[in-house]
Amino acid sequence: QVQLQESGPGLVKPSQTLSLTCTVSGGSISSAGYYWSWVRQDPGKGLEWIGYIHYSGKTFYNPSLKSRVTISVDTSKNQFSLKLTSVTAADTAVYYCARSVRSGSNWFDPWGQGTLVTVSS
Amino acid sequence: DIQMTQSPSSLSASVGDRVTITCRASQSISTYLTWYQQKPGKAPELLIYVASSLQSGVPSRFSGSGSGTDFTLTISSLQPEDFATYYCQQSYSLPYTFGQGTKLEIK
Repeated sequence: QVQLQESGPGLVKPSQTLSLTCTVSGGSISSAGYYWSWVRQDPGKGLEWIGYIHYSGKTFYNPSLKSRVTISVDTSKNQFSLKLTSVTAADTAVYYCARSVRSGSNWFDPWGQGTLVTVSS
Repeated sequence: DIQMTQSPSSLSASVGDRVTITCRASQSISTYLTWYQQKPGKAPELLIYVASSLQSGVPSRFSGSGSGTDFTLTISSLQPEDFATYYCQQSYSLPYTFGQGTKLEIK
């Protein structure tokens, strides 16, 4: 079955750019019927959806983060990536990648195991 | 954004109890409602989608209901492995939003 795995630095300095990659295995990221999302979890704020990408390159970002977020896809590597610029301590969270069905009701399944990113000098 | 509000925020119950968790949307979301279970240190796992459809492999003691703005997740007879945090999520409109979670603890 499809599995997702996040990778990237666990520590980022304030004002710098957070960069994470999600590698998809057991299936193709180029499947037309799916979106590929990033979700983060801050213990104080719960779960926050960051945005998604379709393999065609179509994206949608949460307006709360839109000015700082870029999600991209590399179909040759079966990966998609997250960049979050100008980070602050408020961006410290566990970051998950997840797949959702491209239909009327989008639920997330499966999820990656998550990776903790700490923003600190 | 659509706000999702869960109640209660935490709940103490015993093995064998019947438990109900509520999720309320700030506007109608039809049945575009998903429930997840999360255990400490793990990613959320899909339990129920489109309000009442049970994900494959999820025990039948879990059930979901509701439409519009009010939804419930019911566990008919709590098992030790069910003590976790539960989240609802709406996918009626972007951005997708989650409830704040309900932590189910052992009494």
